[in-house]
Amino acid sequence: DVKVTQSSRYLVKRTGEKVFLECVQDMDHENMFWYRQDPGLGLRLIYFSYDVKMKEKGDIPEGYSVSREKKERFSLILESASTNQTSMYLCASSSPTSGGAGGEQFFGPGTRLTVL
Amino acid sequence: AQSVSQHNHHVILSEAASLELGCNYSYGGTVNLFWYVQYPGQHLQLLLKYFSGDPLVKGIKGFEAEFIKSKFSFNLRKPSVQWSDTAEYFCAVDIYNTDKLIFGTGTRLQVFP
Repeated sequence: DVKVTQSSRYLVKRTGEKVFLECVQDMDHENMFWYRQDPGLGLRLIYFSYDVKMKEKGDIPEGYSVSREKKERFSLILESASTNQTSMYLCASSSPTSGGAGGEQFFGPGTRLTVL
Repeated sequence: AQSVSQHNHHVILSEAASLELGCNYSYGGTVNLFWYVQYPGQHLQLLLKYFSGDPLVKGIKGFEAEFIKSKFSFNLRKPSVQWSDTAEYFCAVDIYNTDKLIFGTGTRLQVFP
């Protein structure tokens, strides 16, 4: 079974704090993704990575950065947390569609971040 | 910009009723199509997917979806829902094998016994 784990289920931080969200997958997937999920807005892509050391901006990258030093780990960083970053953060991984794997993304359980 | 529309935001049904959730996308080229489900307190999981071939695809738990290319649609159906189908359902599209998914805003389904 593919497993995607996220470091915390719930996190409470204060405005201005630096926040690290960690994601680890155990299926040797090349692709990894960070989304935020908000009611009525669905999932919005923050950043993604097709390989180690690579990163690409998604649809809403402002206020976030990412790090991918190892294939299995993809970190989301909030340099200075703000209240409008209160949300559910989802990590996902997949194999490349070009490899015939189909592009299905496997999701972690999510981290519910509250910024006070 | 490409987008995915789910017009039903909240659907309430009684058990045994039939379900159809709409999904439309705005892109004329090659697409891979997905339906994901999120049960209360659980992570997103795949219900079914379409890449090519038979446009009627079957997924887990009795769900199916039909890809109609001319209508840019990929509607999800189930002939008889159960209380355990209460969840949020997301349609997603991978445009031209980019590996990135564009998600719809989701449909919250409540099934009452």
